[in-house]
Amino acid sequence: DIVMTQSPDSLAVSLGERATINCKSSQSVLYSSNNKNYLAWYQQKPGQPPKLLIYWASTRESGVPDRFSGSGSGTDFTLTISSLQAEDVAVYYCQQYYSTLSFGQGTKLEIK
Amino acid sequence: EVQLVQSGAEVKKPGESLKISCKGSGYSFTSYWIGWVRQMPGKGLEWMGIIYPGDSDTRYSPSFQGQVTISADKSISTAYLQWSSLKASDTAMYYCARHQYSYGAFDYWGQGTLVTVSS
Repeated sequence: DIVMTQSPDSLAVSLGERATINCKSSQSVLYSSNNKNYLAWYQQKPGQPPKLLIYWASTRESGVPDRFSGSGSGTDFTLTISSLQAEDVAVYYCQQYYSTLSFGQGTKLEIK
Repeated sequence: EVQLVQSGAEVKKPGESLKISCKGSGYSFTSYWIGWVRQMPGKGLEWMGIIYPGDSDTRYSPSFQGQVTISADKSISTAYLQWSSLKASDTAMYYCARHQYSYGAFDYWGQGTLVTVSS
């Protein structure tokens, strides 16, 4: 099974500053047949179900603000929030679908 | 509008059985996989399994194989998650979610069903 490891576990960033969350997979999630990384990012606010932000490692879901961006390939991925807003306080999860399916442990993002 | 509506919260005793539901609407229910995700209190997301309602093809996470049963009734656009004998450790929020096979992510989620198992 592919193990997804996020870092850090928690993060405090000032409003308007950049937030960066990392996700590492225990093996590559890049499909060579279509050159797509099967890596998604979700945002979960308290009391709510998760919300899809990014898929294929860097494609924003419809309606997601462009301050959210994803990057990386193979085994190392990053979610970046370019200018943190108060409403971005949440737990963020990465998820792979190269082999069955698995989530990272989550990263809690707070305001400094 | 795509919607996944889950059944309400449950309080059960250890050893009891339970079946919770997830009703899809606003899209072709038989054309998308539906997954189940567990979230224990204060913890992260765990993928439990996934079903394709079109033909009931079902896959389980090794961690949940044999512990739960996933099924679907395409005639009423509803997926199910069931337990034959609950344990206290099954206490959690359970989410269903629609799986976009083309890019491997869950694009729509149910509101969650809280299951509490306590004697």
